[in-house]
Amino acid sequence: GESVGLHLPTLSVQEGDNSIINCAYSNSASDYFIWYKQESGKGPQFIIDIRSNMDKRQGQRVTVLLNKTVKHLSLQIAATQPGDSAVYFCAAPGGSQGNLIFGKGTKLSVKP
Amino acid sequence: ETGVTQSPTHLIKTRGQQVTLRCSSQSGHNTVSWYQQALGQGPQFIFQYYREEENGRGNFPPRFSGLQFPNYSSELNVNALELDDSALYLCASSLAGVVAEQFFGPGTRLTVL
Repeated sequence: GESVGLHLPTLSVQEGDNSIINCAYSNSASDYFIWYKQESGKGPQFIIDIRSNMDKRQGQRVTVLLNKTVKHLSLQIAATQPGDSAVYFCAAPGGSQGNLIFGKGTKLSVKP
Repeated sequence: ETGVTQSPTHLIKTRGQQVTLRCSSQSGHNTVSWYQQALGQGPQFIFQYYREEENGRGNFPPRFSGLQFPNYSSELNVNALELDDSALYLCASSLAGVVAEQFFGPGTRLTVL
């Protein structure tokens, strides 16, 4: 089955800098990958997804890169703001119907 | 359009008791998935309900069970509570077959003493 894992449990950046959060996956057959943001006391919030036939996808201030050769994806946040402070999870479809496999998460802290 | 709601927000139970958690899906969504999130971990899939039937299950014992109602709302029931069941329980709704677009509720924080 699929497993996903994040490289760093915590990341601290200065406000205005760019942030890069990394994730590795095991199943090369995964059709898509998703990034979620979870703020304290809230459920995960969808940020952006990317299909396996793409290398890059851009959203508002966020970019996801997918490297299928090394089974790695990253989430880049441009001009990081205090409101970006949260735990970020990558997720991929699992084997069971409706199943999403989540990594452990990276806690992003933004210093003013 | 209303989002996913869950009740209660917090709950404290003792070991051996039973608990029922409730979820109302986002307007227009007919599928509900339940996840358990232990402290410091990512959510773990418990099961999914579609057309009032369980149509997918993760690695959780039978004492975790659920229901889905005709209005697509759902319940998660946990019997014989154990200390390790203490976690945030998340409900996510989606349209059938659109796993990528699951919208999560705020969760129910369950503490088992």
